[in-house]
Amino acid sequence: ETGVTQTPRHLVMGMTNKKSLKCEQHLGHNAMYWYKQSAKKPLELMFVYSLEERVENNSVPSRFSPECPNSSHLFLHLHTLQPEDSALYLCASSQDRIGPANYGYTFGSGTRLTVV
Amino acid sequence: DAKTTQPPSMDCAEGRAANLPCNHSTISGNEYVYWYRQIHSQGPQYIIHGLKNNETNEMASLIITEDRKSSTLILPHATLRDTAVYYCIVRVAGNQFYFGTGTSLTVIP
Repeated sequence: ETGVTQTPRHLVMGMTNKKSLKCEQHLGHNAMYWYKQSAKKPLELMFVYSLEERVENNSVPSRFSPECPNSSHLFLHLHTLQPEDSALYLCASSQDRIGPANYGYTFGSGTRLTVV
Repeated sequence: DAKTTQPPSMDCAEGRAANLPCNHSTISGNEYVYWYRQIHSQGPQYIIHGLKNNETNEMASLIITEDRKSSTLILPHATLRDTAVYYCIVRVAGNQFYFGTGTSLTVIP
C-alpha cells in the first residue's frame, strides 16, 4: 500500500453507463493527478489538481469529468465511454514543491477499466 | 522539460548489478533527474532523484555525469522482483511528470 488508494481495482462498464473512479491519499499532499495508460503506450497525463483547483486539462474528452472535493480525494466521473477508453487509470499525489525532500509523485495501484 | 532517451529493453542476470543508462543532452541547470519503475499493471514507483551529485538510497544508486547530459541508474544486486519498466524523467520544479516509453528490464534467473 503506497498511501494512495484507488477503487475499484477493476471495472467493466457498457458504453451507456455512468460510473466513477475514486482516489484517496493519506499522505498530506496538496496536489493530485489522473493518468491514463493504454496497452503498450506511455502514461498520459489527463488532469492536475493543485490545492483543489484544476490547473491542467490535457485535451481530455468531456466524457471524462474530474472532481476534487478536498485535498485528500479525487474522482473521475465517466459517461458514454468508448471501447478505446479501456485502459489502466492511475491516480497520483504529491507535495507541490521541489528540492531534496521532494520524492515526486506517489501513485496508486490503478483501476483497470474495460468498456464493452 | 528536457527529453530523455533510454534503450527499449535490457537483460540482467540475477544477483548482478543492473546499469540502466539515460541520455538527457538538453538538460538545463534547474532540472532534476528522476527515476521511476513500473511493475506490470501497477502504478509507477519512485526510486531516486538527483540534481548533479551522485545519490544512493536503499533501492539504487544514481550516477550523473559531470556535464549532466547523461545518467545511470544502478541496481546493485538485481533480483527477479526488479523486472519492470524503468523510466528516466527530467523535470523542472513545479512542472508535471511526463513519462516516455522507458527501459524494460528483465532479470534472468
